[in-house]
Amino acid sequence: AQSVTQPDIHITVSEGASLELRCNYSYGATPYLFWYVQSPGQGLQLLLKYFSGDTLVQGIKGFEAEFKRSQSSFNLRKPSVHWSDAAEDCCAVASGDMRFGAGTRLTVKP
Amino acid sequence: KAGVTQTPRYLIKTRGQQVTLSCSPISGHRSVSWYQQTPGQGLQFLFEYFSETQRNKGNFPGRFSGRQFSNSRSEMNVSTLELGDSALYLCASSLGGLAGGTDTQYFGPGTRLTVL
Repeated sequence: AQSVTQPDIHITVSEGASLELRCNYSYGATPYLFWYVQSPGQGLQLLLKYFSGDTLVQGIKGFEAEFKRSQSSFNLRKPSVHWSDAAEDCCAVASGDMRFGAGTRLTVKP
Repeated sequence: KAGVTQTPRYLIKTRGQQVTLSCSPISGHRSVSWYQQTPGQGLQFLFEYFSETQRNKGNFPGRFSGRQFSNSRSEMNVSTLELGDSALYLCASSLGGLAGGTDTQYFGPGTRLTVL
C-alpha cells in the first residue's frame, strides 16, 4: 500500500538559513507528489506538485522540491527561510485517494 | 472566486451524540474529499464524493458517512461520537477528483470537533 513518511516531526531553523524537509514515499508506480503548507487556523495551501518530467519543481513562496526515484524521496527545500514560513508542512501522495505524511512543524528563530 | 467553506468552524459534542459537518466546494468543482487531522497522525483520508457518488473510502468505521448533493455541496456525518473522534475535519474540492491523481485539491479551513 502506498504510504508517506516525514521523518522529522519538528525542525527549527534561523531566519535566513537554508531549509530541507524530508519526505519518503512507498508506491509501486510513478507517484503524484505534493507539498502543502498549513498555517495556524488556516486550511492547507498547495506549495508545489510533481507529476512527471523535470525532477526539480518550483513552487510558491520560493520553495522547490526534488523528486529522486532511486531514493523514493521528494524533499522540500528553500535557500533562505523567512519568519513567515513558520507552519506545518505536509507531504502527500495521490492516486485514487490521497495519503499524507504526519507533517513537519517548522519553527523559525529570529 | 470564493474558496472552500466549511460550517460550523467549531463544534462541541458529548459522547454518543451525532454530528453533521458541511462543506461547500469552489464553484464548478465536482469532487469533495474529507479528511481527519489529529496531532501526530497527519491527515487521514475519509472518503471522496464525485457527482453525488462516493468514489473512494478510507479505513474508518461505518459511523463515519457522507453524502453529496446535486450542487456539489457535501455533508459528513459521525454517529455515536467517541472521545477519539475529536479532531480537525477538513474538506477539499477539485475539478476532476482524486482518480487521476493530478488534480489540485483546494482545502477549506476545517471544522474543529471536540467530543467531551
